Amino acid sequence: GAVVSQHPSWVICKSGTSVKIECRSLDFQATTMFWYRQFPKQSLMLMATSNEGSKATYEQGVEKDKFLINHASLTLSTLTVTSAHPEDSSFYICSARGPGSIYEQYFGPGTRLTVT
Amino acid sequence: GIQVEQSPPDLILQEGANSTLRCNFSDSVNNLQWFHQNPWGQLINLFYIPSGTKQNGRLSATTVATERYSLLYISSSQTTDSGVYFCAVGETSGSRLTFGEGTQLTVNP
Repeated sequence: GAVVSQHPSWVICKSGTSVKIECRSLDFQATTMFWYRQFPKQSLMLMATSNEGSKATYEQGVEKDKFLINHASLTLSTLTVTSAHPEDSSFYICSARGPGSIYEQYFGPGTRLTVT
Repeated sequence: GIQVEQSPPDLILQEGANSTLRCNFSDSVNNLQWFHQNPWGQLINLFYIPSGTKQNGRLSATTVATERYSLLYISSSQTTDSGVYFCAVGETSGSRLTFGEGTQLTVNP
């Protein structure tokens, strides 16, 4: 149980275009999901907290107009990187609070974004 | 915000050896999780352990919340144990997780 999926696994896009990444909880409902970013050889940094049916809460320094988050259902959150630039190239990972615990998080397999 | 420090940053072992990874944190927590990040980037949940001791096969973990540290023990290490081990903590004031910098473990045959 507590499986989180992401799509796509990897994506290459041209500078200036937008990319959407999906995060799904497959066998449980998730009222809260989280989006992280990880640069090579570095740790994970929380970008935003996504709550079903309400606006996301962004961490300090994360541009909300650039990283659009939508959590329209209890099993799906999406992250759209708008007007992507090469510096947005990174590994994006989502997580969701698992069933039966208000704190424990389960992570998706990640999406590797390369902007050329 | 809360600070999380992991040690050692790098660890190289021979197959069959035992190891201890440490995670220190600077404030009270309602969540502490240990993860193994495999070479493809997937974070594997090892333990949810805000306090106490747990064991799962060759792995075990102990968190002493009053002293603000957690330990991850790996016994009889195997080459498949290689990867990065992260400790992440959640402050009592909120739901966000803060990750340590990780321990890069290499197990040689």
